[in-house]
Amino acid sequence: AQSVTQLGSHVSVSEGALVLLRCNYSSSVPPYLFWYVQYPNQGLQLLLKYTSAATLVKGINGFEAEFKKSETSFHLTKPSAHMSDAAEYFCAVSDAGGSYIPTFGRGTSLIVHP
Amino acid sequence: ETGVTQSPTHLIKTRGQQVTLRCSSQSGHNTVSWYQQALGQGPQFIFQYYREEENGRGNFPPRFSGLQFPNYSSELNVNALELDDSALYLCASSSSGGRGDTQYFGPGTRLTVL
Repeated sequence: AQSVTQLGSHVSVSEGALVLLRCNYSSSVPPYLFWYVQYPNQGLQLLLKYTSAATLVKGINGFEAEFKKSETSFHLTKPSAHMSDAAEYFCAVSDAGGSYIPTFGRGTSLIVHP
Repeated sequence: ETGVTQSPTHLIKTRGQQVTLRCSSQSGHNTVSWYQQALGQGPQFIFQYYREEENGRGNFPPRFSGLQFPNYSSELNVNALELDDSALYLCASSSSGGRGDTQYFGPGTRLTVL
């Protein structure tokens, strides 16, 4: 069975500071990993995904994430936060084998202070 | 290129009633997935349709059912509504049923069950 844990339901940073959103996963087979962003009253938008290629994945809006198998982690980072980054962020895992059943974390709300 | 659209935007039903939610996939996409997102939670996978066939199902009871039409639009039907069915229902389309495919989400339908 696969699962995702997002540490911290809320993360608060100042504008211009480093953003770090944590995601740990469990999976019995090599996983596919995703980060999504959700703005208020909108659907989810894919930021980036890992599908067994390069372990450092670059996404949109300056975000990137690194797949670390030994730590079963896929943390999301951005060097400098912008006010427009304030949103809900979801990490998701999809097993590379078996039926297509993705699992999402509970989400982390990013708050950006001026 | 038209994105994923969902209708209606909001819906209020009473316990025991039935509801049908609709989704039009992005042009060129033949796969549609449905998710339930309760308040403060991550999306939970309901099921996926690929070329009009169910291609995977999450842990939801049979009263949650779906259809995909030849034009790849889709419906989610929920019978015997319960209070816990109150949630945002998200539809996502992709170009195939692959686990690593990028999914494009619609804005969702907010269902309230009284």
